[in-house]
Amino acid sequence: DVKVTQSSRYLVKRTGEKVFLECVQDMDHENMFWYRQDPGLGLRLIYFSYDVKMKEKGDIPEGYSVSREKKERFSLILESASTNQTSMYLCASSRRATNQPQHFGDGTRLSIL
Amino acid sequence: AQTVTQSQPEMSVQEAETVTLSCTYDTSENNYYLFWYKQPPSRQMILVIRQEAYKQQNATENRFSVNFQKAAKSFSLKISDSQLGDTAMYFCAFMKGGGATNKLIFGTGTLLAVQP
Repeated sequence: DVKVTQSSRYLVKRTGEKVFLECVQDMDHENMFWYRQDPGLGLRLIYFSYDVKMKEKGDIPEGYSVSREKKERFSLILESASTNQTSMYLCASSRRATNQPQHFGDGTRLSIL
Repeated sequence: AQTVTQSQPEMSVQEAETVTLSCTYDTSENNYYLFWYKQPPSRQMILVIRQEAYKQQNATENRFSVNFQKAAKSFSLKISDSQLGDTAMYFCAFMKGGGATNKLIFGTGTLLAVQP
């Protein structure tokens, strides 16, 4: 089975801090994704990566950056955390071939105080 | 741009009954895929079922089946013999075909509660 592991289930940070959310997958997937999930808004794509060191902006990239130095690891960075970034963050991965489903991690519930 | 609409924020069903969750989408593409994902409370999101747009036959997975109406751009999920473990948030999602990035566009979700 595909395993997508997010480093923390719950995280509390302060406004202005630099925050790192880590995601690791063990199935050699080319594609990796970061979403945020908010009530009534569903999942919104922040960034995705289709290869090492490659990244593309999703629908809501403002205030975030990403890093993919190794194929199995995709990091989401909040450069200067703000209270409106309090949310559930989901990481996913998939094979590059078309129509392949995404596999999700457990999510990180991030609170910015 | 593609959009996915789930018009039922919450639904409730009695155990062993059948329930249908609605999903409509808007696209000008002809090659695409549709998915239903399930997110149980405090647990991982998992794939329930997928449908290729070029297939006329509706997909089924055990108690889960879809009613895919391509002309109407409708993709509803039917859950038969509902079980307590079916309690979850359900998301409908769209994927454009022909590419390799496999980006998904999600609806806002339907929270399904199965009552004993």
